[in-house]
Amino acid sequence: EAGVAQSPRYKIIEKRQSVAFWCNPISGHATLYWYQQILGQGPKLLIQFQNNGVVDDSQLPKDRFSAERLKGVDSTLKIQPAKLEDSAVYLCASSLDLVVSEQFFGPGTRLTVL
Amino acid sequence: EDKVVQSPLSLVVHEGDTVTLNCSYEVTNFRSLLWYKQEKKAPTFLFMLTSSGIEKKSGRLSSILDKKELFSILNITATQTGDSAIYLCAVGSNTGNQFYFGTGTSLTVIP
Repeated sequence: EAGVAQSPRYKIIEKRQSVAFWCNPISGHATLYWYQQILGQGPKLLIQFQNNGVVDDSQLPKDRFSAERLKGVDSTLKIQPAKLEDSAVYLCASSLDLVVSEQFFGPGTRLTVL
Repeated sequence: EDKVVQSPLSLVVHEGDTVTLNCSYEVTNFRSLLWYKQEKKAPTFLFMLTSSGIEKKSGRLSSILDKKELFSILNITATQTGDSAIYLCAVGSNTGNQFYFGTGTSLTVIP
């Protein structure tokens, strides 16, 4: 089965610029997660969708980060404006549903903010 | 505050050695504990544990959960250079459906 797809794989921007990441989960997976992984740390959950609804976004910095999953399939995560501390790998993962915990991760987008 | 702590932070062993990685947690309304292997890319799933005392096994890897003492271990026997990676522990909570990751254990296997 095809895995979780993400694009772009790498992005370099200057602070205060905007950036958007795209994720296409595994077909049929209702739950989609966005994680931020800063170098040397474990992934931190930013937002979680069940179909097109937000389940949890308590750790999403809403003043600059936004995410949507309008049709309940693919999703976009946006940062506007970016700060230096946003430099990280942004991982998208999906699972069949909320109850099934096994998550399948995409390759990630490595963001560098200069 | 919910947290997941892994130890050691890093480990260097020789091929053929056996290693034990530790994960302790303090998470409200525990649902499951997951182990992942992360090389130079995204984490790949190894095990999901929900019940105490039941060992999960896959080849040279095995894991067990102790819900009373709030920890899990991941064992790797007869290590190979291909086992070199960061091993992540994550705990899922039924409160808000949150997942909490530890910082990982970096394992290096020397030929």
